[in-house]
Amino acid sequence: DTEVTQTPKHLVMGMTNKKSLKCEQHMGHRAMYWYKQKAKKPPELMFVYSYEKLSINESVPSRFSPECPNSSLLNLHLHALQPEDSALYLCASSGRTGADYGYTFGSGTRLTVV
Amino acid sequence: GQQLNQSPQSMFIQEGEDVSMNCTSSSIFNTWLWYKQDPGEGPVLLIALYKAGELTSNGRLTAQFGITRKDSFLNISASIPSDVGIYFCAGLWTSGSRLTFGEGTQLTVNP
Repeated sequence: DTEVTQTPKHLVMGMTNKKSLKCEQHMGHRAMYWYKQKAKKPPELMFVYSYEKLSINESVPSRFSPECPNSSLLNLHLHALQPEDSALYLCASSGRTGADYGYTFGSGTRLTVV
Repeated sequence: GQQLNQSPQSMFIQEGEDVSMNCTSSSIFNTWLWYKQDPGEGPVLLIALYKAGELTSNGRLTAQFGITRKDSFLNISASIPSDVGIYFCAGLWTSGSRLTFGEGTQLTVNP
């Protein structure tokens, strides 16, 4: 299995809602990431988990809350979002085996905040 | 944050033509990655380069890791309509660190 699976693929939420994005990988990768991408722009890093511990938080607002329940799963909890948070949210994972980091992205969740 | 200088920003070519795009950085990287992204999808890894000077091919794609570790190029030979998309270069220091992306090259292939 060489995939990163993200659910849901599309999400529409109101500014008072609470929702969660989910990400799963079974490649044995020990680093997992959340990126945010606006149209026609490169992805921007939000969070990095290394060995299930949060190692990088790119000064992301607290309305985004990451969680890593185990080495295969990564969640992003959303609460009280703003319309400008509408974007494609990408999960990625990478390994440390030999020289092949296999930095792999999921297909993303298209989030619309109304 | 830091970004790579990727050029060109866009290309309009005829089917069958060859394509070349490149990325430069003021910092060195240990790994260079090239991704292709279709609308509404995540980036798909095309080629990964791990050693300075390395030249790697994947079908019609060829990429090189610059000897100074500050640049990389990607060539696509004999382009086809399904090559349409945005191509991103990315530099990586080590696993568990952020990818530094270029701004992307939007490729359009006319049949």
